[in-house]
Amino acid sequence: SQQGEEDPQALSIQEGENATMNCSYKTSINNLQWYRQNSGRGLVHLILIRSNEREKHSGRLRVTLDTSKKSSSLLITASRAADTASYFCATDAGSNYQLIWGAGTKLIIKP
Amino acid sequence: DAGVIQSPRHEVTEMGQEVTLRCKPISGHDYLFWYRQTMMRGLELLIYFNNNVPIDDSGMPEDRFSAKMPNASFSTLKIQPSEPRDSAVYFCASSEGTGGRFGGYTFGSGTRLTVV
Repeated sequence: SQQGEEDPQALSIQEGENATMNCSYKTSINNLQWYRQNSGRGLVHLILIRSNEREKHSGRLRVTLDTSKKSSSLLITASRAADTASYFCATDAGSNYQLIWGAGTKLIIKP
Repeated sequence: DAGVIQSPRHEVTEMGQEVTLRCKPISGHDYLFWYRQTMMRGLELLIYFNNNVPIDDSGMPEDRFSAKMPNASFSTLKIQPSEPRDSAVYFCASSEGTGGRFGGYTFGSGTRLTVV
């Protein structure tokens, strides 16, 4: 089952611009995670934000979490061609649940 | 650690044949997951194990699919007999703690299965 919905489904921007992707979910969560998947590869964990956190940074990545709106955003600043990939959000909704995945946003960075 | 290791990377088989996919999780991770990814259905959880014990196999499509984890360092996903609709990329992932709350899931590179 998929709880997260990423928006937009696809995003194409110029190298150097910022890219913002959004994720909405339906139930209360313990944490929300973002992953990147390059074409033909496995998913790579980028960042985890806990339900009591509002913002988190990792290098050029900035993640925000609004539990009242049940939404999160991933901002990639100063995008590079190597950032071209699909980005997935996943939520941890409880101790016996495993991650629930969104459908992903396909990001294309044009040189 | 070399990460989660899956084999083979690619598998092409004829309909009706048995297919076995293999996975070596990260040492110390107590959860192991098998996922299937297709364009149409996205990422689907097939089954997961906790400390080598299957916990939830409700995602396994049908009886043709089976998974085992005989020890903490090895798991297999078997399809017998295979059908063309089983064609997909199969991922194995492992994590420490439920929900990946101690650093997320680590995925293998996947096995691209084509059944002709």
